[in-house]
Amino acid sequence: DAGVIQSPRHEVTEMGQEVTLRCKPISGHNSLFWYRQTMMRGLELLIYFNNNVPIDDSGMPEDRFSAKMPNASFSTLKIQPSEPRDSAVYFCASSLGGVIYEQYFGPGTRLTVT
Amino acid sequence: GQQVMQIPQYQHVQEGEDFTTYCNSSTTLSNIQWYKQRPGGHPVFLIQLVKSGEVKKQKRLTFQFGEAKKNSSLHITATQTTDVGTYFCAGLRAGNMLTFGGGTRLMVKP
Repeated sequence: DAGVIQSPRHEVTEMGQEVTLRCKPISGHNSLFWYRQTMMRGLELLIYFNNNVPIDDSGMPEDRFSAKMPNASFSTLKIQPSEPRDSAVYFCASSLGGVIYEQYFGPGTRLTVT
Repeated sequence: GQQVMQIPQYQHVQEGEDFTTYCNSSTTLSNIQWYKQRPGGHPVFLIQLVKSGEVKKQKRLTFQFGEAKKNSSLHITATQTTDVGTYFCAGLRAGNMLTFGGGTRLMVKP
């Protein structure tokens, strides 16, 4: 298996632009998680889906962030408009079913907003 | 505020010395998971503890879950340079809330 796939690996954009991060979970995994990692705030859970349905989005910072999972093999995290404070590494992870199972993380997308 | 605290934040050790990181929760946890993240890499699952007082070993790594299920520890015996990285605990709280600790960054001097 290829593992969790994320794209792009690096993204540099200007403040105010829309940013879309993409994730393909491991085939057969029912849960997908989006995390943000910064030096200041550590690893934060933004949102997680179970069977394509958002279960917990309490970690989503504000309305500028949105996440979708149209099918079992694809998810997006969108930031619109982006701000410099959104600069971080964004990880996608998947698991067999919810938070009780081990999570497999993708390589991450390093986002820089100037 | 952060519900799961990890100490220390950083630890420098000489190769061959032991290392321990501690994870403490303000509430009882259903289970706890441990992950390792190498510099520039992504978190990789190490182990999950579920039972009160549980102890698990993986070669030089020993994981413990407290009797009250509010704390956990990871102990590495005789560190090697390959142990370098940040170790995270993630606790599962009531309502299926998974919270990661802030991590302990381990640096090993050869």
